[in-house]
Formats: sequence, C-alpha cells, structure tokens
Amino acid sequence: GQQVMQIPQYQHVQEGEDFTTYCNSSTTLSNIQWYKQRPGGHPVFLIQLVKSGEVKKQKRLTFQFGEAKKNSSLHITATQTTDVGTYFCAGRGRYGNKLVFGAGTILRVKS
Amino acid sequence: NAGVTQTPKFQVLKTGQSMTLQCAQDMNHEYMSWYRQDPGMGLRLIHYSVGAGITDQGEVPNGYNVSRSTTEDFPLRLLSAAPSQTSVYFCASSYYPTGGYGYTFGSGTRLTVV
Repeated sequence: GQQVMQIPQYQHVQEGEDFTTYCNSSTTLSNIQWYKQRPGGHPVFLIQLVKSGEVKKQKRLTFQFGEAKKNSSLHITATQTTDVGTYFCAGRGRYGNKLVFGAGTILRVKS
Repeated sequence: NAGVTQTPKFQVLKTGQSMTLQCAQDMNHEYMSWYRQDPGMGLRLIHYSVGAGITDQGEVPNGYNVSRSTTEDFPLRLLSAAPSQTSVYFCASSYYPTGGYGYTFGSGTRLTVV
C-alpha cells in the first residue's frame, strides 16, 4: 500500500536557524498536505499542494511539491520559539480517498 | 462554530472492556475519519466515511467498528479493549472526499488500556 516517509524524525535548532523537513511517497500523489501539531495539541492544516513543481509560501514557511509528485518539503526560515511542534506531511494517492500521514518531524527551538 | 468535538478527552479502560469514542462536527462535512497517534508512528487511519451510511477501513481497522447514521456523527467503538489500543485518537473531517481544504481535527481522546 501507499507509504509516506518523513525525515528527519527529530530536529533541534537554535532560534534564528533554518529548518527543513522532507517527505517521500512510495507512489505518485494527487496532492500533499502539511499539518502542524503543537505539543499536547491536535494537527492543524497548513497548506495543500496539487501541481507538479508547485511552490507556496506562508510568511517564513516555504512548501514545495516535487516534479514527479512523489516528494515534498517544508522549509522554515529563521525559526522562532513559536515554530515548536511536530510537522506532518500527508499524501493522497491518485485513486484513493485515504490521506496517509508521514511519521512527522519534531522541531525543538532553543532560544 | 464548534468544529469537531470529541468526547471523552481522557479514558482508562480495563482489558476486555468496550466503549465508544464520540465524534461530532457541525460544519456539514461529508468526509469523516478516525486516526490513532502513537509515538514515532505518526497518524494511522482506522476507519473513514465519505457520507452518511458509507464507511470503509483504513490501515489499522482491527478491533474497531464505526457507523455513520448521520452527517454530523461518526462514533468509534472498541469492541474488547487491549493494551495495544492505548493511544491518542483523533477524529477529522473535511468538505470533500479528497479533503481539498484540509482536514479539521478534534482535540483528541487519550485512551489508556490497563
């Protein structure tokens, strides 16, 4: 079945440093979504990417969808303590109704 | 708007007991789903529904039942609780089957089976 791998599992950065998490799917995706979960909270939808090679920005966050629609990345510029949490990617295959989540990347920011 | 409401927030069960986790949404979303979250394993899909009267299995359906009699409600039943079902359970909903606008998650139910 469809699998979504996410790396790294854990990242600890100094405030002001950049952060990137990568997501890879075993199959071609129709779209990919990104979520953020604060410690003790629930996942919150950030963005959806649909087109091959698509790049979207939200303030300091940049999301990319690969040309082959099998990989994606989330890059945070100049991290802040408010960025702390777990970032999940979630992909949907071409023919399914199921959204498959990656294991998530836990981000910790030292101030 | 309440969004997605899950009850209870915390629950301790003894092995073999049964219970129902409740999920209700007031956004008229067609699509609803249940996920469990375990450390290092992300969110795994248990069951999902694309509309009232329609349900299907996800990645880890064993030991769980669902039904969807109304658009608003999607309860998850644990038939005979086992320690392996200790987890945080999230209910999520969206407007479309393809979740075009992203999922709205409930605040979760933390379940411990002893």
